[in-house]
Amino acid sequence: DIQMTQSPSSLSASVGDTVTISCRASQGISNYFAWFQQKPGKAPKSLIYAASSLQSGVPSRFTGSGSGTDFTLTISSLQPEDFATYYCQQYYDYPWTFGQGTRVEIK
Amino acid sequence: QVQLVQSGAEVKKPGSSVKVSCKASGGSFSSYDITWVRQAPGQGLEWMGRIIPILGTTNYAQKFQGRVTITADKSTSTAFMELSSLRSEDTAVYYCVRANDVVVPAALGIWGQGTLITVSS
Repeated sequence: DIQMTQSPSSLSASVGDTVTISCRASQGISNYFAWFQQKPGKAPKSLIYAASSLQSGVPSRFTGSGSGTDFTLTISSLQPEDFATYYCQQYYDYPWTFGQGTRVEIK
Repeated sequence: QVQLVQSGAEVKKPGSSVKVSCKASGGSFSSYDITWVRQAPGQGLEWMGRIIPILGTTNYAQKFQGRVTITADKSTSTAFMELSSLRSEDTAVYYCVRANDVVVPAALGIWGQGTLITVSS
């Protein structure tokens, strides 16, 4: 199975900050890669697919980059509604696998 | 805009089975992957398997092979996930997710609201 490793596991930031979350795949996955946001008690929300394409309705302050094994999610000008847990995921090969999550907390 | 509405929470006994439904409305169903993902309390996301309704083809995570069956009824735009031989570790919220494109593989797109399955004696 392809292992997805996110870092950091948690971070504290203030409204207006720019934050970066990293995800590394244990083998090359081209750009078959996605990011999700989950708030407590809610279903995850799809943010980015194909490593850098925004899902419909997702604000442009969310940016995805990377290819192969290393990927990054950048949130510019952090908003109050962005405090959540973020997951990465590969859909290059079965079983599709997720990272362990990165919790973004208010400083 | 497509919406996925899942069946309600259930409490099941160890050793029993559960079947969760996921009904799509407001958009196309049959040509898009439907994936099932679960999340144990306080834990991360875990991929269980998927189906392409129009073809009926499925893929399952090895972990659940033999215990999970994913099906789809094109006539009602409903997907189902049945998990058998339930144990306490299967206590989780189960999500269905529709792909965001008809190409394969396609990324996960629209999520259902989730169904809490509690396994307890």
